[in-house]
Amino acid sequence: QVQLQESGPGLVKPSETLSLTCTISGGSTSGFFWSWIRQPPGKELEWIGFMFNGGITKYNPSLESRVTISGDTSRKQFSLKLTSVSAADTAVYYCARGSSRADVWGKGTTVTVSS
Amino acid sequence: EILMTQSPATLSVSPGERATLSCRASQSVSNNLAWYQHKPGQAPRLLIYGTSTRATGVPDRFSVSGSGTEFTLTISSLQSEDFAVYYCQQYNSWPQTFGGGTKVGSK
Repeated sequence: QVQLQESGPGLVKPSETLSLTCTISGGSTSGFFWSWIRQPPGKELEWIGFMFNGGITKYNPSLESRVTISGDTSRKQFSLKLTSVSAADTAVYYCARGSSRADVWGKGTTVTVSS
Repeated sequence: EILMTQSPATLSVSPGERATLSCRASQSVSNNLAWYQHKPGQAPRLLIYGTSTRATGVPDRFSVSGSGTEFTLTISSLQSEDFAVYYCQQYNSWPQTFGGGTKVGSK
């Protein structure tokens, strides 16, 4: 069965770029949408955006000016880049499969924005 | 953006009892609603979508009713492995939005 694993720095300085990678294992990547979702401490889950085949993307309007989701899922990886981060971007970041509902999730990785 | 509100925030239940969780949308989401289960240290798990379709492997003690703006997740006879946080999520309009969750714990 498909498993997802997030990886990347756990600490990012304010105004810098947050970069995370999701590694896909155990199944086919063909024909699926791939997403990033986050949950700031004490707040709701927030759908950041999704990609399909590395070309089609859609982003949450609240983050659209700062976010890029990209990757080649045939290589079993896709990534998230979020620029100009602030403390408000501190969250647990999840990668997931799907564009409307997420039927497979990673366990999440905590990213703290602090100097 | 559609606001999803879940209640109660915390629910204390004994094994074998029925648990009833509510989810309300600020506008109609038709039947485009999903429920997730999340246990500490684990990946969230899709439980039910399209209002009432259970995901693969989800036992039939989990059921959902409602449409439009009011939904209910019922766990008919709670098992110890069901203690977790449950989230509803609408996918009727972009961006998809989640409720704040209901934590189901032991009484």
